[in-house]
Amino acid sequence: GQNIDQPTEMTATEGAIVQINCTYQTSGFNGLFWYQQHAGEAPTFLSYNVLDGLEEKGRFSSFLSRSKGYSYLLLKELQMKDSASYLCAPKGSGNTPLVFGKGTRLSVIA
Amino acid sequence: GAVVSQHPSWVICKSGTSVKIECRSLDFQATTMFWYRQFPKQSLMLMATSNEGSKATYEQGVEKDKFLINHASLTLSTLTVTSAHPEDSSFYICSARATGLNTEAFFGQGTRLTVV
Repeated sequence: GQNIDQPTEMTATEGAIVQINCTYQTSGFNGLFWYQQHAGEAPTFLSYNVLDGLEEKGRFSSFLSRSKGYSYLLLKELQMKDSASYLCAPKGSGNTPLVFGKGTRLSVIA
Repeated sequence: GAVVSQHPSWVICKSGTSVKIECRSLDFQATTMFWYRQFPKQSLMLMATSNEGSKATYEQGVEKDKFLINHASLTLSTLTVTSAHPEDSSFYICSARATGLNTEAFFGQGTRLTVV
């Protein structure tokens, strides 16, 4: 089974940097996904880490430590449109489904 | 990138009727698709794994006779909510991964079901 832990809510100021942490326990680990979900919409893919380290993609970066069962999503130069839920999803082996944590609701304020 | 199309985007139905939701992979083949349900301010909950040409695998607590899944081709899976009740009102989302690739899961647009 899987056990995924993320903060429930976070608030940050426009233009700032925010880090959303995720710890997980899973069998057959094969990488970790981050998705963004705006209210009433389907999730959209942000990043996929399979090796330890930091992956940078524009304003968003994602970090993974497999030995610690830990990942974080870093959002820079926050914009109001970044207000959304951010979902951490470790992937199991094979074609297993993604199982999501409860997600972190990020509110960006002026 | 790959596209998954889900239809309808929203539907309102009367209690006791059935509703069918379609999920299509438009530019790739998917032997496996996944169905999720999401209540307001809740997480995405996996309902079932849809396997092309065979029976779906349901998660614990999901009634297979109520949520009928058919995966008749490599590009289409359907979810039918039978004898819908107001408590079935939710956001239903499908996802698919390209066969044989260790890639991201692509999501459909979701279907907002309201049972009145």
